[in-house]
Amino acid sequence: QVQLVESGGGVVQPGRSLRLSCAASGFTFRSYGMHWVRQAPGKGLEWVAVVSYDGSIQRYADSVKGRFTISKDSSKNTLYLQMNSLRAEDTAVYYCTINLVSTGGFDYWGQGTLVTVSS
Amino acid sequence: DIQMTQSPSTLSASIGDRVTITCRASESINSWLAWYQQKPGKAPKFLMYKASTLESGVPSRFSGSGSGTEFTLTISSLQPDDFATYYCQQYNTYPYSFGQGTKLEF
Repeated sequence: QVQLVESGGGVVQPGRSLRLSCAASGFTFRSYGMHWVRQAPGKGLEWVAVVSYDGSIQRYADSVKGRFTISKDSSKNTLYLQMNSLRAEDTAVYYCTINLVSTGGFDYWGQGTLVTVSS
Repeated sequence: DIQMTQSPSTLSASIGDRVTITCRASESINSWLAWYQQKPGKAPKFLMYKASTLESGVPSRFSGSGSGTEFTLTISSLQPDDFATYYCQQYNTYPYSFGQGTKLEF
């Protein structure tokens, strides 16, 4: 069965960096693009970034462009989100997610990992 | 960027009620719209794609309609498990975007 397991969250000071990981299993990882979506405490969902199936194309939300980098390592079946110059407003649960079967939309989600940016 | 606006933000209803949530896009997204259900502390659950196609396993009391800029999610007869927050999401154009959510409460 499809599994997405995020890790790497924690408490970090403003201006510092953090790298999130998402270990994937149950599907052919190298064949699919993948996304990160976040949710600030008590707030709605915000799409963050996407990487193409081969890692060659990335797209970002304006709120993270130039600070975050999405990548994937198909030899490890792992998706990454490198987050630099973190701000308080980046505090959120970060989910990795994928469109695997349907014609659009995110049909599989991880359980999320909490990032707290605070001094 | 495409803005998604849901209404209402909160909806009070009872078991057995028929409820409708509206989602409007700031420009045409054709039918490239998904709906999700989220309960506190949980990841979103995928309900529907291409505006009206139900994901496998989702009860038939859920239905969707619309195209272009206006969409609706309808629950025909509310069940206890349906009380949650619902989000629409466009996947026509990057950056993808979600509506702000509609909390369905008792």
